[in-house]
Formats: sequence, C-alpha cells, structure tokens
Amino acid sequence: AQTVTQSQPEMSVQEAETVTLSCTYDTSESNYYLFWYKQPPSRQMILVIRQEAYKQQNATENRFSVNFQKAAKSFSLKISDSQLGDTAMYFCAFMRGSNYKLTFGKGTLLTVNP
Amino acid sequence: GAGVSQSPSNKVTEKGKDVELRCDPISGHTALYWYRQSLGQGLEFLIYFQGNSAPDKSGLPSDRFSAERTGGSVSTLTIQRTQQEDSAVYLCASSLVGRPAPGNTIYFGEGSWLTVV
Repeated sequence: AQTVTQSQPEMSVQEAETVTLSCTYDTSESNYYLFWYKQPPSRQMILVIRQEAYKQQNATENRFSVNFQKAAKSFSLKISDSQLGDTAMYFCAFMRGSNYKLTFGKGTLLTVNP
Repeated sequence: GAGVSQSPSNKVTEKGKDVELRCDPISGHTALYWYRQSLGQGLEFLIYFQGNSAPDKSGLPSDRFSAERTGGSVSTLTIQRTQQEDSAVYLCASSLVGRPAPGNTIYFGEGSWLTVV
C-alpha cells in the first residue's frame, strides 16, 4: 500500500517570501503521479500542481514549483512570492499510474501573514 | 455545469437517521469519486464510478453506506442509521476519465459537511 507523509502540520510565512512544504511517500510502483492540492476555507480541493514520475523535469506552475527527488521519494512544494490568498491547507497526494484512487497526506496548514 | 456541485452544503442529523448527499459532476465527465474527510482519518477514498462499469466500492466503511449514479451523471451517497463517527466532510469529485492522463484533472466540489448529533 502507498503512504504519503507530510511532516509539517502547520507553517507560516510572511507575505512576498518563499516557503517550502515537505512531502515524502512510500511505494513500490514505478509508474505513478504526485499532486499538490490546496484547500482554502471554502473546502474545495484545488489542484495546484502535478508531477509524472517518469518525468525528470520538475513541474512548475507560475509561483508554484516542486522539487521531485524520485530516489529519495520526496516531493516538496515551493511557493514563491507568497500571497495572502495562499493561506490554506495543502495536501500532497499520490496516484498509481494504473489506478484512479488518490492517497492523501494529512495536510499542512499554511498561513501567510501580512 | 461549471464545476462539481454538492448539496446540502451542511447537514445536521440525529443519530440513527438516514441521510442523502448529492453530487452533480462537471458535464461530460465520465468518472466520479466520493471521498470522506474527517479529523481522525484524513482524506479517504469511498467509491468510484466510471461510465457504465460496475463501481469500485472498496472504500465504503460499512454496509450502512451506499451510493448510486443515475444516467451516468448525478450521484447520491446514502448513509443509513447514521452514527457519530460518520461526522465528516464528504467530498465529491469528477474527471474526464478515470485514469491519469495529460490534461485529465480531478475536480472537487466544496463538500457536504455532515454532523451527527
């Protein structure tokens, strides 16, 4: 079974600064996908970024980028130029390449302070 | 619709009562998922529908839980004889297809917050 671990229950950052959220996972699969989802107080889970395991290049989406270390099974999220609207729970998630189920970590509550 | 729509947004029910939660997926999405988000267990997969195929019910926690998807669109999650441990946010999601593929994003609704008292 796959497991996803987020070791930081809470983090805070000043507006305009950079913050990195950690995620490690455990799997014996070779084909899989990794995701970061954001859940603001509205409760809606919003996809921030995704990474295909077969791709060596780290994914980027505007201010969001990942550091994907396949051998170490690490998948951290870097948020640059943090904005107040980035305040939310962030979940790291795993999906096997042949499947459709997401396995989520416990989440990291990020607070961006003005 | 523009997004995944869920109702009710919040529901308070008495222990032992039955509840129905509704999900209206994005138009054209063949895959539909239900997840449960609770303080103790985090986010858990419940059930998955893909087109006309038999659903994957492997995540349903007990036989008090059931779900159906009518006409390949709207889905209803039913919890019978509710217990306090059923209190959670029930999230519905949909995607074009039920497997990872370029451009195949899983979109979530805002959830139904169930409180059993």
